[in-house]
Amino acid sequence: QKEVEQDPGPLSVPEGAIVSLNCTYSNSAFQYFMWYRQYSRKGPELLMYTYSSGNKEDGRFTAQVDKSSKYISLFIRDSQPSDSATYLCAMSDRFGNEKLTFGTGTRLTIIP
Amino acid sequence: KAGVTQTPRYLIKTRGQQVTLSCSPISGHRSVSWYQQTPGQGLQFLFEYFSETQRNKGNFPGRFSGRQFSNSRSEMNVSTLELGDSALYLCASSWGSQNIQYFGAGTRLSVL
Repeated sequence: QKEVEQDPGPLSVPEGAIVSLNCTYSNSAFQYFMWYRQYSRKGPELLMYTYSSGNKEDGRFTAQVDKSSKYISLFIRDSQPSDSATYLCAMSDRFGNEKLTFGTGTRLTIIP
Repeated sequence: KAGVTQTPRYLIKTRGQQVTLSCSPISGHRSVSWYQQTPGQGLQFLFEYFSETQRNKGNFPGRFSGRQFSNSRSEMNVSTLELGDSALYLCASSWGSQNIQYFGAGTRLSVL
C-alpha cells in the first residue's frame, strides 16, 4: 500500500464549478503538506503549502488538512479552463526534509 | 531569475546503455533533489544533494547515482539501463532549509 493515496481521475467539471481534490495518507509523521500543479510537458509548480491541521486560503484555492483523519483536500472555486492540469499532493515529516512523498496525481479538466 | 534548467529534454537509449542527466538549480539554492515520474507510480524520490553531499536517498537500486558540484549543479547517472527506467526525470532545487521545492521541466528518457 502506498503511503499517499490519490484518486487519479480523470475529473471533468464545467467552468465555474467548485472542484474538490483529495489525498489520504498512512504515515502519521507527516506534518507538512503541499499541493503542486503540473501542466502537460511541464514540471510541477507549488500551489499551496500548509503545516499541521487547519485551512489555508490563497485566492481561489483553499487547502485543508485533517491530521486526525489523515486526509487533505484542495478546493478550487470558480474553476477556469486554465486550471486544467494534473494536481499532486505531497508531504514531508519535518521542516527542512527535502524528501517529499507524492500522491500519483489527479488529472483535472475544466470544460468551457 | 532563471528557474531550474534540465538538459537534455528528451533522450532515447537502448537497454544496457548508461545515461547522464544534468540539472542547474535556481541561483542561490544549495539543495537539489531528483525524482522519477511514471504513470503508474507517480513521483518517486531518488536522492537529494546538499553542498555536494548526498543527504537523502530513496529506494532505488545502485544503478541510479548522482553527484553535485561546487556551483550546486547536479548530475544523475543511470547505468545498465532497463526498459522500466523509461520515465520523466525531474530535478527540484531549494534553499535546503525548507520543504519548498522548485521543479524543472524534466528529462524524458525512453529506453528501447
